[in-house]
Amino acid sequence: DSGVTQTPKHLITATGQRVTLRCSPRSGDLSVYWYQQSLDQGLQFLIQYYNGEERAKGNILERFSAQQFPDLHSELNLSSLELGDSALYFCASSAGTSRAMGGQFFGPGTRLTVL
Amino acid sequence: AQKVTQAQTEISVVEKEDVTLDCVYETRDTTYYLFWYKQPPSGELVFLIRRNSFDEQNEISGRYSWNFQKSTSSFNFTITASQVVDSAVYFCALSDTGTASKLTFGTGTRLQVTL
Repeated sequence: DSGVTQTPKHLITATGQRVTLRCSPRSGDLSVYWYQQSLDQGLQFLIQYYNGEERAKGNILERFSAQQFPDLHSELNLSSLELGDSALYFCASSAGTSRAMGGQFFGPGTRLTVL
Repeated sequence: AQKVTQAQTEISVVEKEDVTLDCVYETRDTTYYLFWYKQPPSGELVFLIRRNSFDEQNEISGRYSWNFQKSTSSFNFTITASQVVDSAVYFCALSDTGTASKLTFGTGTRLQVTL
């Protein structure tokens, strides 16, 4: 158990819909990262938040957005869903210092299926 | 830009055999971190090791060992006396040491250990 929790574990929805994925980092970790794992794109970095502020953006679509709340949990919002958004979405957390101390620890993932 | 190459897509071994998973990386940073993660069939990403670019000492943890060679930009992972429970997809990843420190993953190597 990495200490990172993600809900829900599975999500099935239809094209055009909007969903919210939730992540709680390990106790004490200030940084939260979101990654997408799909068959064609592999594991890709989406976005990072540090102590409530956006720190870095990767290959995140404009239809996707995220935020980190004062209690440090984070939500990833996916809207106008398309079939190609079906993937495993991981949240990871780290202490968040500028030197990536200790590595990133991943949650169990949310498997999103868009029908 | 950073890049991680795992040329071995899939490896099959018989239990008790030793197996080495290759990882080659590219980065213009002088300071960086390298990681290995295991993704078993259940889907979670399990952190195995983090290595600082200044530390070229090989590391051994039980049946696992890692060989970091900066001269060839490689960070290879060896499992000694493999077991069926080692069957998983293994990912090598790279991050810089800046404030973002996102992970760039390789495409993974699927290891199948059979009896």
